[in-house]
Amino acid sequence: QVQLVESGGGVVQPGRSLRLSCTASGFIFSYNGMHWVRLAPGKGLEWVTLISHDGSKEYYADSVKGRFTVSRDNSKNTLYLQMNSLRPDDTAFYYCVKDGGSYFFDSWGQGTLVTVSS
Amino acid sequence: DIQLTQSPSTLSASVGDRVTITCRASQGVDTWLAWYQRKPGRAPNLLLYGVSSLKIGVPSRFSGSGSGTEFTLTISSLQSDDFATYYCQQYYRPPWTFGQGTTVEIK
Repeated sequence: QVQLVESGGGVVQPGRSLRLSCTASGFIFSYNGMHWVRLAPGKGLEWVTLISHDGSKEYYADSVKGRFTVSRDNSKNTLYLQMNSLRPDDTAFYYCVKDGGSYFFDSWGQGTLVTVSS
Repeated sequence: DIQLTQSPSTLSASVGDRVTITCRASQGVDTWLAWYQRKPGRAPNLLLYGVSSLKIGVPSRFSGSGSGTEFTLTISSLQSDDFATYYCQQYYRPPWTFGQGTTVEIK
């Protein structure tokens, strides 16, 4: 079965950087687009970014454009999210999500918590 | 961006009740709409996509309908495992957006 395991979350000061990783198994990773979706405390779900199956295309929410970079290593079945210039409103659980083929969110990891605070 | 508005925000119901949640889009999304369930402390789980297609393994008491700008999620007979928060999501056009969520509580 599909397994997505995120890591790299933690507490970071405003303006600093953090890199999240997501290790995938149970499906052919290189065949699927992958997303990051976040859930801030007391708020709703927010799509953050999508990377195409081969890494050739990237899409970002306006709220993170220019600060976050998504990448993938298909040889390692791993998805990454480089987060720079972090702000307190980036505080959230970050979920690694497998695309369902048409940009719905088919399978989710358990999430990793990022807290941006001084 | 396409805005999705769910109603109600909170719903109190009993086991065995028929429950309906509505999702309205600020512009037409054809049938590019999905529903998710999220339980406290856990990741969301896909229930339906393409308005009415059940993900494999999701119980048949869940169903979806609608097209264009108005959609519904129906739980035909609420079970104890169904008390959770439900979100709709459009994938008609990026940025892919979610409704604000509907929490189904025990009455």
